[in-house]
Amino acid sequence: GAVVSQHPSWVICKSGTSVKIECRSLDFQATTMFWYRQFPKQSLMLMATSNEGSKATYEQGVEKDKFLINHASLTLSTLTVTSAHPEDSSFYICSATEVLHSEAFFGQGTRLTVV
Amino acid sequence: GQQLNQSPQSMFIQEGEDVSMNCTSSSIFNTWLWYKQDPGEGPVLLIALYKAGELTSNGRLTAQFGITRKDSFLNISASIPSDVGIYFCAGRYNTNAGKSTFGDGTTLTVKP
Repeated sequence: GAVVSQHPSWVICKSGTSVKIECRSLDFQATTMFWYRQFPKQSLMLMATSNEGSKATYEQGVEKDKFLINHASLTLSTLTVTSAHPEDSSFYICSATEVLHSEAFFGQGTRLTVV
Repeated sequence: GQQLNQSPQSMFIQEGEDVSMNCTSSSIFNTWLWYKQDPGEGPVLLIALYKAGELTSNGRLTAQFGITRKDSFLNISASIPSDVGIYFCAGRYNTNAGKSTFGDGTTLTVKP
């Protein structure tokens, strides 16, 4: 099956710093990538949809200046949490699809802890 | 927006028992998906359903796409300890830019 790799698996950063999370499709070209946030014991909350070469589409309530998404190539999308604060601590997960409406495969997630 | 109700929220069963969980929606979907998530990992796709009434199996797992297109169920037969995890349903409507709506998950605990 298709493999999506997310890096890093976990990161601890100081409040006020920025953190970049990478999402790579290893064996297919991902035209669309999705970024989710998940709180403990809760479902996945879609943050934004990222299409290669264009600006990301953010869900309502998600600050685009806070969560910068770049999808510069067909195999890589990045999420940068800018000026991170403790309330940004969460599990961030990406998924990628090869063509629209095909199945999305998830990365292993990134546990962000802001101290 | 579209909402999914997934039940039960949690289940505690004995090894060997069968499990059933379901999702209902306030609106129709073109695709139903079932995922399993282990702690600290991303969800893994178990079964994808594309047609109303479709019944699909993957080993001990069986899922069905409801006739009304507003519901789906997942059955696990003869559960084993490694079935432990959180199971999510997700529905997708094809004109929604490929986005899926996720249920709140069913946490499964299997006692040996």
